[in-house]
Amino acid sequence: AQKITQTQPGMFVQEKEAVTLDCTYDTSDPSYGLFWYKQPSSGEMIFLIYQGSYDQQNATEGRYSLNFQKARKSANLVISASQLGDSAMYFCAMREGYNTDKLIFGTGTRLQVFP
Amino acid sequence: KAGVTQTPRYLIKTRGQQVTLSCSPISGHRSVSWYQQTPGQGLQFLFEYFSETQRNKGNFPGRFSGRQFSNSRSEMNVSTLELGDSALYLCASSLADGAPRDTQYFGPGTRLTVL
Repeated sequence: AQKITQTQPGMFVQEKEAVTLDCTYDTSDPSYGLFWYKQPSSGEMIFLIYQGSYDQQNATEGRYSLNFQKARKSANLVISASQLGDSAMYFCAMREGYNTDKLIFGTGTRLQVFP
Repeated sequence: KAGVTQTPRYLIKTRGQQVTLSCSPISGHRSVSWYQQTPGQGLQFLFEYFSETQRNKGNFPGRFSGRQFSNSRSEMNVSTLELGDSALYLCASSLADGAPRDTQYFGPGTRLTVL
């Protein structure tokens, strides 16, 4: 059954340092997409980065990069040069196939950036 | 381009009442999905609409229903409210063009409190 696992309930990082948020997934569908979203205390989910199952290279979007290890079924988010504004909940999500928008979410990781 | 909008932002109801939440997708987006977020259950998929048809449905009782209009705007309805329906309800829209990178963008959510 499709599943997303985020094992870090909370993480602390100092400003300007890099941090890695873990995500593992389980699916039997060869075609899937992996997404990371940020949710500040305001509640809105903000899209950060996408990785497709057939993508040969790891995705990057500005300070965000995705460490995609397909054989290990992991899709870890790396945030470089952390900023105070990065403090939020971070969710890993998966979509199976291309003809649905249904996302399965992990339980999230609360990241706190301190000065 | 305006983002996904949801109305109302906050709602207080009592048990047994019914509620209707509204979602306006990003212009040009054809698919709308709804999610429920609670501290206990996390983010759960409710349903997805594309071209006024429900394309996918999550594991929720029949008290939860939705619809999509010809302009892609969507509403969800919860009848006979229960205390456990208190949650943040998030709406998301996407182009639904079948591309692997098709991404859902979320609205700010409606926070429903059932007393």
